[in-house]
Amino acid sequence: NAGVTQTPKFQVLKTGQSMTLQCAQDMNHEYMSWYRQDPGMGLRLIHYSVGAGITDQGEVPNGYNVSRSTTEDFPLRLLSAAPSQTSVYFCASRGLTYGYTFGSGTRLTVV
Amino acid sequence: AQSVSQHNHHVILSEAASLELGCNYSYGGTVNLFWYVQYPGQHLQLLLKYFSGDPLVKGIKGFEAEFIKSKFSFNLRKPSVQWSDTAEYFCAVNARGGATNKLIFGTGTLLAVQP
Repeated sequence: NAGVTQTPKFQVLKTGQSMTLQCAQDMNHEYMSWYRQDPGMGLRLIHYSVGAGITDQGEVPNGYNVSRSTTEDFPLRLLSAAPSQTSVYFCASRGLTYGYTFGSGTRLTVV
Repeated sequence: AQSVSQHNHHVILSEAASLELGCNYSYGGTVNLFWYVQYPGQHLQLLLKYFSGDPLVKGIKGFEAEFIKSKFSFNLRKPSVQWSDTAEYFCAVNARGGATNKLIFGTGTLLAVQP
């Protein structure tokens, strides 16, 4: 089925470890973005991309890196995980009709 | 920059009660508006969206929302809620045009429907 695929679904990291959250879409959407969801704070935009080779910062970019080498993939990297990055992460993509499609999320715990 | 406010953080209703969740946004230009729902343990699903035209928008599962430009509001309504509507609801705004295309969310409203 077409959509946004996120992996892994769950992850536990130790403080200081690095990892990459994967996001892939097969709808040929130009726009992709990463959000984190925390209780009482809604979804906050981390980074976004309007096309291959173009990325920009959102509301809460510190501690995260992104790249967009292809239209399909938009990985989110945590270079040195911190407990404050414990959250649920959602990837989303958007086509020309402004309809956003969300992935199923990655639940990350940093201990 | 655009922002979204959802004033009701936690709403508790009995089945068959009517629902209205408030959403106000802050942005001087033209916007696209959305309501998303997140059922327990699931990801976000689109309930409805407003781009232009009729300000009364009907979505899935009997939900509707009204865009009132003069009040910068996009309130979500449902005449009669069901237990299965228990979920968290998010209002979101996207500034139309420009280079950013960012979708900004409110902090969410947790709805609990008691049978």
